[in-house]
Amino acid sequence: ELKVEQNPLFLSMQEGKNYTIYCNYSTTSDRLYWYRQDPGKSLESLFVLLSNGAVKQEGRLMASLDTKARLSTLHITAAVHDLSATYFCAVVSGGSNYKLTFGKGTLLTVNP
Amino acid sequence: GAVVSQHPSWVICKSGTSVKIECRSLDFQATTMFWYRQFPKQSLMLMATSNEGSKATYEQGVEKDKFLINHASLTLSTLTVTSAHPEDSSFYICSAVGQNYEQYFGPGTRLTVT
Repeated sequence: ELKVEQNPLFLSMQEGKNYTIYCNYSTTSDRLYWYRQDPGKSLESLFVLLSNGAVKQEGRLMASLDTKARLSTLHITAAVHDLSATYFCAVVSGGSNYKLTFGKGTLLTVNP
Repeated sequence: GAVVSQHPSWVICKSGTSVKIECRSLDFQATTMFWYRQFPKQSLMLMATSNEGSKATYEQGVEKDKFLINHASLTLSTLTVTSAHPEDSSFYICSAVGQNYEQYFGPGTRLTVT
């Protein structure tokens, strides 16, 4: 059974600081997704990482994937308040092209 | 980008009644859609995989007779919560598989059973 672990689950940081959210998964997978969820809203796609060594950046967020270590990171650079949200990683389950298993999510609060 | 809609966005129903939620891919065809449930402050839990033209595949522990899924066309999947009870109150989110392995999520339906 595929398990996906995120840490930390709660992150409070100051504006302007950098931090990394980690996503570990238990079985082989070569596709990983990062999503953002604002309170009361659905999921917004941030990144799709398709291969080992993949790195993608959008604004202050950068995601990477190491399939050998079964690890993805979401790095936040110079955080701003607008980044406050819950961030989920999700991994494609084995034997399926599209079925996703989600981590528990990281609640990020960026304080002025 | 690809858009997935859900209807209704919120619904309140009485215990024992049934509620139907629609999920539509607006500008692309989706042979596969997924239904998730999310309780407050928790992650998404996959309920079932909806395949166009065939029966849905339910995850372990999800009652297929209670959560009826119909994927009648390449742009529409429906989830019917039958004989709803207060414990079925939740945020229901669908997703549709698009190109390049992207999954596009609908805006969600908040169900409250009184």
